[in-house]
Amino acid sequence: DQQVKQNSPSLSVQEGRISILNCDYTNSMFDYFLWYKKYPAEGPTFLISISSIKDKNEDGRFTVFLNKSAKHLSLHIVPSQPGDSAVYFCAAKEDRSSNTGKLIFGQGTTLQVKP
Amino acid sequence: EAGVTQFPSHSVIEKGQTVTLRCDPISGHDNLYWYRRVMGKEIKFLLHFVKESKQDESGMPNNRFLAERTGGTYSTLKVQPAELEDSGVYFCASSQVTGRYMRTEAFFGQGTRLTVV
Repeated sequence: DQQVKQNSPSLSVQEGRISILNCDYTNSMFDYFLWYKKYPAEGPTFLISISSIKDKNEDGRFTVFLNKSAKHLSLHIVPSQPGDSAVYFCAAKEDRSSNTGKLIFGQGTTLQVKP
Repeated sequence: EAGVTQFPSHSVIEKGQTVTLRCDPISGHDNLYWYRRVMGKEIKFLLHFVKESKQDESGMPNNRFLAERTGGTYSTLKVQPAELEDSGVYFCASSQVTGRYMRTEAFFGQGTRLTVV
């Protein structure tokens, strides 16, 4: 029973265009969401996050949108650069696990930005 | 400042053998997590230490897995005896504080790729 789903295993975009990565979740107790980026042979690195009290958070070229009613979030990268090519993981944190910091991850979306 | 370090980076063992993975968190981080990614699927939580205490071990697959964090510094994850389905990449992460919104995000190590043959 996967609580965080990234239904697109891969995405290919042209340099300079917008990349949109999507994530759906099923657990209404999730109250904090994160995106991690992972390069081959490296660990995931934190990219951007959003709490459930917001619907948008922006950091430079990266914006995360949260639609709680639809249980959906998305990561927008504008403009996309070849160095953004990586696996992107969506993750969520449960309210009731605030003492543990346990993250629930999606299966990842591989983004390829073509020059 | 050194990041989260894990060793070995790669381990190939035979079914039935024992393997011990090690994680050195960022200095001063009380929270230490173990995660596993199997066959390109999602990254799954295994357990969480706060200092030397196990805060949450709900993700540990079975009793063949034993995690320790003696003295609240580095941690080890032992798999004994290893089975084929234990193959995957084991990640360790650490964070400084854990609050409702985990505002200090977890930093991950590069992972240990375990292959059981």
